[in-house]
Amino acid sequence: EDKVVQSPLSLVVHEGDTVTLNCSYEVTNFRSLLWYKQEKKAPTFLFMLTSSGIEKKSGRLSSILDKKELFSILNITATQTGDSAVYLCAVEAGSGNTPLVFGKGTRLSVIA
Amino acid sequence: GAGVSQTPSNKVTEKGKYVELRCDPISGHTALYWYRQSLGQGPEFLIYFQGTGAADDSGLPNDRFFAVRPEGSVSTLKIQRTERGDSAVYLCASSTLLAGGVDTQYFGPGTRLTVL
Repeated sequence: EDKVVQSPLSLVVHEGDTVTLNCSYEVTNFRSLLWYKQEKKAPTFLFMLTSSGIEKKSGRLSSILDKKELFSILNITATQTGDSAVYLCAVEAGSGNTPLVFGKGTRLSVIA
Repeated sequence: GAGVSQTPSNKVTEKGKYVELRCDPISGHTALYWYRQSLGQGPEFLIYFQGTGAADDSGLPNDRFFAVRPEGSVSTLKIQRTERGDSAVYLCASSTLLAGGVDTQYFGPGTRLTVL
């Protein structure tokens, strides 16, 4: 059975801190790993990673995938209160359109 | 529309009642997915449509759940004889295959269903 495990489940940091969120996975026929940010209800897309070792970056957020060790990390530097959210990791397997398998998420709280 | 829309945003119903949840995907997206998210959990797959047909309904928990997409665009998730355990946020996502077989799923704001 495909599985995605995120850690930590929750995290509290102060503004300005750097955080690293972890995602490990076990899937058959891995195709891509995606990170989403969920503030209220709608997960909003952050990154899609398909190749090992290539960092994707958007502002203060960056992510990288290790397909050998089956994990990904999401880094957020100089955190702000607006970064407070649940960060979801999901994996896509197989070919064509396929459902995502999600982890439980990491709840990040950034306090001033 | 610009993004995936879902209605209603909140639905409160009584145990045993029937509910319909609607999803309007991004224009031109051929694939549409329904997920269910319980408190403290990640979204869990329910059903996926490619065009008008359900390509995979393996995530539907039982036969009280049914979904349609008659014209290949808007989809309706239907739940019969609702139970308290059906209370969750129901998320819809849409996507389309790009070159190289890549597809990113974009999510709607969800419908929060509460069964009393």
